[in-house]
Amino acid sequence: AQSVTQLDSHVSVSEGTPVLLRCNYSSSYSPSLFWYVQHPNKGLQLLLKYTSAATLVKGINGFEAEFKKSETSFHLTKPSAHMSDAAEYFCVVRPPNFGNEKLTFGTGTRLTIIP
Amino acid sequence: DTAVSQTPKYLVTQMGNDKSIKCEQNLGHDTMYWYKQDSKKFLKIMFSYNNKELIINETVPNRFSPKSPDKAHLNLHINSLELGDSAVYFCASSPDAFSGNTIYFGEGSWLTVV
Repeated sequence: AQSVTQLDSHVSVSEGTPVLLRCNYSSSYSPSLFWYVQHPNKGLQLLLKYTSAATLVKGINGFEAEFKKSETSFHLTKPSAHMSDAAEYFCVVRPPNFGNEKLTFGTGTRLTIIP
Repeated sequence: DTAVSQTPKYLVTQMGNDKSIKCEQNLGHDTMYWYKQDSKKFLKIMFSYNNKELIINETVPNRFSPKSPDKAHLNLHINSLELGDSAVYFCASSPDAFSGNTIYFGEGSWLTVV
């Protein structure tokens, strides 16, 4: 069985300050991990993914995430927040050797950017 | 030239009605999906089709009937709509069903049942 927990339902940061969105996972094996972003009234867009290569993964729009097996975490970071980053962010886990039917989504973290 | 497009984007309808949501992808992918996102933003898979064949059917009432006329289209028909069907429905596609390639989502269809 696998699960993913996004530790904060809502995060607010000021424009220009760092962003940290936390995600912990539970999986019997080394999973694949993803971060998706959903802007208001839009679909989900892939930000980045980890699939057992480098543990530090760089994504689009300046985001990156680090896979830490010892901590079962895959936190999303960005050095400097931009107003356009305001959105809902989903951490997603998938067990190895399975297809997308086994994606498990977190409950999302709403990121608000304060001008 | 949206990769995964679904229509309508917004739909308000009365209980008991039958409605359809259409989805098309122009990515040449073999696999398409329907997901449901509830009011708490929780996203859950409903169906998956690979080359027009149903491969995944999660615990979904049989009032929901997907149809895939070809591998570029996956439509969702809902009979006898209920209040609890109000949600955002996302269509998605991926190159294939089994290797776990990146999944691409449409922009969602907001269904409100009154």
